[in-house]
Amino acid sequence: GAVVSQHPSRVICKSGTSVKIECRSLDFQATTMFWYRQFPKKSLMLMATSNEGSKATYEQGVEKDKFLINHASLTLSTLTVTSAHPEDSSFYICSARVPVLARGTDTQYFGPGTRLTVL
Amino acid sequence: DAKTTQPNSMESNEEEPVHLPCNHSTISGTDYIHWYRQLPSQGPEYVIHGLTSNVNNRMASLAIAEDRKSSTLILHRATLRDAAVYYCIPVRAFAGNTPLVFGKGTRLSVIA
Repeated sequence: GAVVSQHPSRVICKSGTSVKIECRSLDFQATTMFWYRQFPKKSLMLMATSNEGSKATYEQGVEKDKFLINHASLTLSTLTVTSAHPEDSSFYICSARVPVLARGTDTQYFGPGTRLTVL
Repeated sequence: DAKTTQPNSMESNEEEPVHLPCNHSTISGTDYIHWYRQLPSQGPEYVIHGLTSNVNNRMASLAIAEDRKSSTLILHRATLRDAAVYYCIPVRAFAGNTPLVFGKGTRLSVIA
């Protein structure tokens, strides 16, 4: 299946600093990628939809000025957590869908996740 | 989006079959039923999907009720590596770039 990578896999930063997380589709082009956040023992929560060459679409309650998303190419989307605070500590996961027009549905492929700890 | 109901947790002995149920009584006629699982500290991975007929692949089988209001993911022989949270997700056909919406899923524990 398609492969999605994330970097870094784990990051620890001080409160007030910014952290950038990269999401790459390794063997396919993704015009759209998705960013999720997951707190311990909770399910994945969609944060935003990243669109190549245009602005991201954020879910209600997600601050676009705090979580900056850039989708500069068909294989790379970045999430920057600006002025991070301890409450931003979470597991961040990106994903992309590989559309298969020949059938009615397609599969979403997920990155391995980035664990962010803000001290 | 169609709502789903899954048991919070289930337990299985290693090498035994596991049947993970999902109720999706409000599913639309054009919704596929997808199953994903998330192993500890990893991103979710695709398991299987179906529309009306039962489906088999190398990972699992999917049994879909005739009225499509429920489905069951079947792991034929559970292994310790199958311990994960399993999510049942209705996905609208030809939905384009619509993200998956995750419910709470079922946490499967496998006992050696």
